[in-house]
Amino acid sequence: NAGVTQTPKFRVLKTGQSMTLLCAQDMNHEYMYWYRQDPGMGLRLIHYSVGEGTTAKGEVPDGYNVSRLKKQNFLLGLESAAPSQTSVYFCASSYWPGYYYEQYFGPGTRLTVT
Amino acid sequence: TQLLEQSPQFLSIQEGENLTVYCNSSSVFSSLQWYRQEPGEGPVLLVTVVTGGEVKKLKRLTFQFGDARKDSSLHITAAQTGDTGLYLCAGAYNTDKLIFGTGTRLQVFP
Repeated sequence: NAGVTQTPKFRVLKTGQSMTLLCAQDMNHEYMYWYRQDPGMGLRLIHYSVGEGTTAKGEVPDGYNVSRLKKQNFLLGLESAAPSQTSVYFCASSYWPGYYYEQYFGPGTRLTVT
Repeated sequence: TQLLEQSPQFLSIQEGENLTVYCNSSSVFSSLQWYRQEPGEGPVLLVTVVTGGEVKKLKRLTFQFGDARKDSSLHITAAQTGDTGLYLCAGAYNTDKLIFGTGTRLQVFP
């Protein structure tokens, strides 16, 4: 069991470039999430998915798009990167929110936009 | 916007000392979780508390959920260098999302 994996681990982009971050989970979880983590801000939710083929906006969705074509994968896209998107991005998944909303996190992707 | 405030933001102590980290909100949680995050890794769940007044222990860590389910605390007894990391609380508000706190960065020196 690999759990939650993220690709790539590091990336440097120039302003205006685009890229896609891939998240994969092998736990058959229904829910998947994308967060960004900035110093002093904790984790902020970008987008999330409650099942295959569904997506929803989180707290900070502007400048990002997502897709969940397969249950095990959740993609985060940046169409035109900006320096404000320099951050560490984490993907997470959970089986079912129920009463606990326990989430399992990937190792993160460190993105720098110059 | 729902906010979860954690205090202190930073904590630097010697091995063997005790410490308490606080997590506060003006909203009522349906449940609250504590995560620990080590450098270069994602957060890892430590505990979930659900009932007002609930106390859970995990070895030297004691977690308490406030009676009104608006706040929580994490107490570490006799801290060890292995306790170093970022501690995050996260609250659920009867939705399918968690709201994360701002984090407490703990450094334990030998």
